[in-house]
Amino acid sequence: SYELTQPPSVSVSPGQTARITCSGDALPKQYAYWYQQRPGQTPVLVIYKDSERPSGIPERFSGSSSGTMVTLTITGVQAEDEADYYCQSADYNATCEVFGGGTKLTVL
Amino acid sequence: QVQLVESGGGVVQPGTSLRLSCLASGFSFIDHGIHWIRQAPGKGLEWVALISYDGSHKLFADSVKGRFTISRDNSKNTVYLQMNSLRVDDTAIYYCVVVITTKFDYWGQGAQVTVSS
Repeated sequence: SYELTQPPSVSVSPGQTARITCSGDALPKQYAYWYQQRPGQTPVLVIYKDSERPSGIPERFSGSSSGTMVTLTITGVQAEDEADYYCQSADYNATCEVFGGGTKLTVL
Repeated sequence: QVQLVESGGGVVQPGTSLRLSCLASGFSFIDHGIHWIRQAPGKGLEWVALISYDGSHKLFADSVKGRFTISRDNSKNTVYLQMNSLRVDDTAIYYCVVVITTKFDYWGQGAQVTVSS
């Protein structure tokens, strides 16, 4: 079955830039989406279609894509950004949706 | 505003069945597919199933294929997830999710399903 691979954890100091990667063989064909989940809360979409930002999401959140890897970048990380982040996409033929294992972002 | 309210969760024994419901409001229900996504305790998100806007197209994760079914009643703005032959590893919060503009932009608050002997 198709898998998306993320690092389990990323740590940065406030004001620095955090980069969270996600790799998958079908990413050149299928868009990627990123979700933020704070403890005890429902996931929130922060990036869609690789690099688009929904309304209401701060500009410090951005996404990019290169081949089989997509990256969520948070520029000028704030304490409130500490959360779990999940990438999501579809398999090559769009027969199922898949989530990455999640990355815990720690703001030191 | 878009609202999705899950119900029907509970504590059940392995091998038994449970049916979750998702009542939707705030958007044109008949125009949108509905997904179920789950999250086991302390674990990540797992996509479970999709039903298309008219119920003609259904997809399932391999982990639930053959055990779970999905249906909808457009007259009641409700989607159902029928879960049979439940296993301990089906224990999770089950979210009802709709794609309005893009994946996955609106989530319900979730229903807790616990499978335990």
